[in-house]
Amino acid sequence: EAGVAQSPRYKIIEKRQSVAFWCNPISGHATLYWYQQILGQGPKLLIQFQNNGVVDDSQLPKDRFSAERLKGVDSTLKIQPAKLEDSAVYLCASSRQGSSAGANVLTFGAGSRLTVL
Amino acid sequence: QQQVKQSPQSLIVQKGGISIINCAYENTAFDYFPWYQQFPGKGPALLIAIRPDVSEKKEGRFTISFNKSAKQFSLHIMDSQPGDSATYFCAARGLKTGANNLFFGTGTRLTVIP
Repeated sequence: EAGVAQSPRYKIIEKRQSVAFWCNPISGHATLYWYQQILGQGPKLLIQFQNNGVVDDSQLPKDRFSAERLKGVDSTLKIQPAKLEDSAVYLCASSRQGSSAGANVLTFGAGSRLTVL
Repeated sequence: QQQVKQSPQSLIVQKGGISIINCAYENTAFDYFPWYQQFPGKGPALLIAIRPDVSEKKEGRFTISFNKSAKQFSLHIMDSQPGDSATYFCAARGLKTGANNLFFGTGTRLTVIP
């Protein structure tokens, strides 16, 4: 099966500019996650979608970050305005739904590396 | 606050040796403990996972040892190979209805010397 697709792979912007990342999950995976991975740290969950509904966005800085998954398939994560501390790799992951076999298995994309200058 | 503490930060092992990475947690509500392997430029990939009702799980050269009373778990890589050189993350899942929120450790960079 095709993996989780993310774009762009790299992005460099000035602080206060905006940026958007796109993710296309594995076909049939109802659950989609956005994680932030700062250099030298483990991934941190930003938001989790189940189909097109938000399950958990408790760690999403909502004053500058937004995410949507309008049709329950691909998703966009936006940062506006960006800060220096937003420099990180933004990982998208997907998994099967709920209690089904494989629901625990998150498949990650290669990530989008953001550098804010 | 770091929910899952991981050590060591880096590890160098000779080919054929045993690599051991340790993790500790505080939240007794965690119900699932996976290990992820990440190569440079790639996303993390699930390696092996365990539930707290089991003390050990083995898959090939990889073994998780789980100590529920001590709230610790570890990854053992037997017969370590240069191809195992990667960053390893332990994680724990918190109980939140409908959510699959994993808390990751800070990672261990493993280097296996030929």
